This record gives sequence, C-alpha cells and structure tokens, in this order.
Amino acid sequence: AQKVTQAQTEISVVEKEDVTLDCVYETRDTTYYLFWYKQPPSGELVFLIRRNSFDEQNEISGRYSWNFQKSTSSFNFTITASQVVDSAVYFCALSGSNFGNEKLTFGTGTRLTIIP
Amino acid sequence: DADVTQTPRNRITKTGKRIMLECSQTKGHDRMYWYRQDPGLGLQLIYYSFDVKDINKGEISDGYSVSRQAQAKFSLSLESAIPNQTALYFCATSDSTGTLYNEQFFGPGTRLTVL
Repeated sequence: AQKVTQAQTEISVVEKEDVTLDCVYETRDTTYYLFWYKQPPSGELVFLIRRNSFDEQNEISGRYSWNFQKSTSSFNFTITASQVVDSAVYFCALSGSNFGNEKLTFGTGTRLTIIP
Repeated sequence: DADVTQTPRNRITKTGKRIMLECSQTKGHDRMYWYRQDPGLGLQLIYYSFDVKDINKGEISDGYSVSRQAQAKFSLSLESAIPNQTALYFCATSDSTGTLYNEQFFGPGTRLTVL
C-alpha cells in the first residue's frame, strides 16, 4: 500500500523568510511518481511539479525548489523569500507507474500562512 | 474555457435527497476520477474509470455511485445524502497514452453541504 505523510499540519512564517514543507512517502513500487499541488483559499488545486522516481535531481523553478531523496523516501518543497500569495494548503502525492496502479495517494496537506 | 468542468460548483441539499455531481472534460483523456476532500484529511479517491466500460471503487466508495456516460463525462451520485458527505468534491482526468502519463488534471471542485 502507498502512503504519504506530511507531518507539518500548519506552518506560519513572516514574509521573505524561507520555508520548507516536508513530505515522506512509502511505496513498494520500484518506479513511481511524486507530485506537489497547491490549494489556495479559492479552493482549486494547482499542479506544481511531477517527479519520476528515477530522476533524483533537485529542481528549481523561480522561488520554488524540490529536494528528492530516495534514500530517505522524502520529497521536500522549499519556498525561498516567501510572499503572501504563497499562503495556501500544499499537498504532496504519490502514484505508481504500473498499469492500473496510477491512482494518486495524497498526504493530508500542510497549511502555510505567510505573515505580511 | 476550462479543460475540466464541474457542475454545480456549490450545492446545498437535505438529508435523504438524491444528488448528482457532473464532470466534463475537453482534454480527450481516457481516465477520470472522483475525489473527496475533508478538512485535515487530504483528498480521498471515491471512484475511478480508465475508459467508458471500466469503473472501479476507490478508498471510500460506500454511499456513492458513478456513471461514465461518455469518454468526456463522469458523474457522481449520492443516492441518499447524509450530513457526513458534506465535503469538497473534485473530478480529475489523466491520459494513459501521452507524455504526461500519470499526471492528473483537476476540475475546480464542487462544494456540497448536506443539512
């Protein structure tokens, strides 16, 4: 069975601070995909990143960066120089790659509040 | 226009009523999903369909049914709504054949309240 744990339920930081959201996963699949989604107060789910388990390179997109460490089954998300618009609930998710096993398993989310 | 649409966007209903939530997509994807989001619980999979003739139960299918009327349409029904089905419901699609294989695209959500 697959499992995603986001131990941080809520985080508050002052604007311009850096913040890291943790994600730990469990899977028996040798190939799998990891995702991060953002859910702003308006409620929609915004796709942020998709990472294949074979690709352990860290990724940077503007102020966002992701650290994938297979050895510790973690896929952490860092926001640099946070802004008020980053306030949202962030979900980490996992899916297998075998046919029929592509369902997404979500973590319970981390609510991030950026204080002006 | 949005690629994945859900109707209605908000709905208030009473206990015991039958209600249908609809999802349509213009992405041409073969796979569709229904999720439910409760505060503090993330998203949980209710049902999923890999093509028009394929329907599968997810983690929390009790009390729900679905219909895949066409490749582009996937509806979720609550035969007799109860208050603990009050939640935010999301439809999602994915393409089993494209380069974005495995990535799911979400609709805007339907906020359902059962009184």
